[in-house]
Amino acid sequence: GQQLNQSPQSMFIQEGEDVSMNCTSSSIFNTWLWYKQDPGEGPVLLIALYKAGELTSNGRLTAQFGITRKDSFLNISASIPSDVGIYFCAGNDYNTGKLIFGQGTTLQVKP
Amino acid sequence: DSGVTQTPKHLITATGQRVTLRCSPRSGDLSVYWYQQSLDQGLQFLIQYYNGEERAKGNILERFSAQQFPDLHSELNLSSLELGDSALYFCASSVGVAGDEQYFGPGTRLTVT
Repeated sequence: GQQLNQSPQSMFIQEGEDVSMNCTSSSIFNTWLWYKQDPGEGPVLLIALYKAGELTSNGRLTAQFGITRKDSFLNISASIPSDVGIYFCAGNDYNTGKLIFGQGTTLQVKP
Repeated sequence: DSGVTQTPKHLITATGQRVTLRCSPRSGDLSVYWYQQSLDQGLQFLIQYYNGEERAKGNILERFSAQQFPDLHSELNLSSLELGDSALYFCASSVGVAGDEQYFGPGTRLTVT
């Protein structure tokens, strides 16, 4: 079945630093989504990407849909303490209609 | 606030029991999805309903079942509960059937003792 490899698994950074995380897939996706989850809460949609090569920003967040349609990355610039949480990538295959989630990247920010 | 509501927030029950989790999608969304998230695990897709009909199935156990009602709210029924069923259960909704841009509820934390 389809699998997503998300890396890194965890990151511990200093406030103000930039962060980069990525996801790769064994197969092609039609859509890439990035979510953030705070402890005990539901995932919150950050960015949705629909087109290969697409680069989309949401405030300090920037995400790209890889040209091969098998990968995506998320960058966070000038990190702040409230960026702490788990970031999930998710890919959607229109053939199955299922959203496949990566295992998550846990981000910790030191003030 | 995503607009998706889930009740109850917490549920504690004993092994062998049956529980029902409830979800109301965002206004206008026709698809409802159920996910299970165990400790240190990612989100595991269980099942999707679209406009009242089952649309896609994931790794849902036979002891679990779901339905979507005419008013589009959905219920997830978990029976013969085992300790390993303890997890966060999330409902998500989307406008269409393709699964894009799913908006998640706050979750129900189930503890089986």
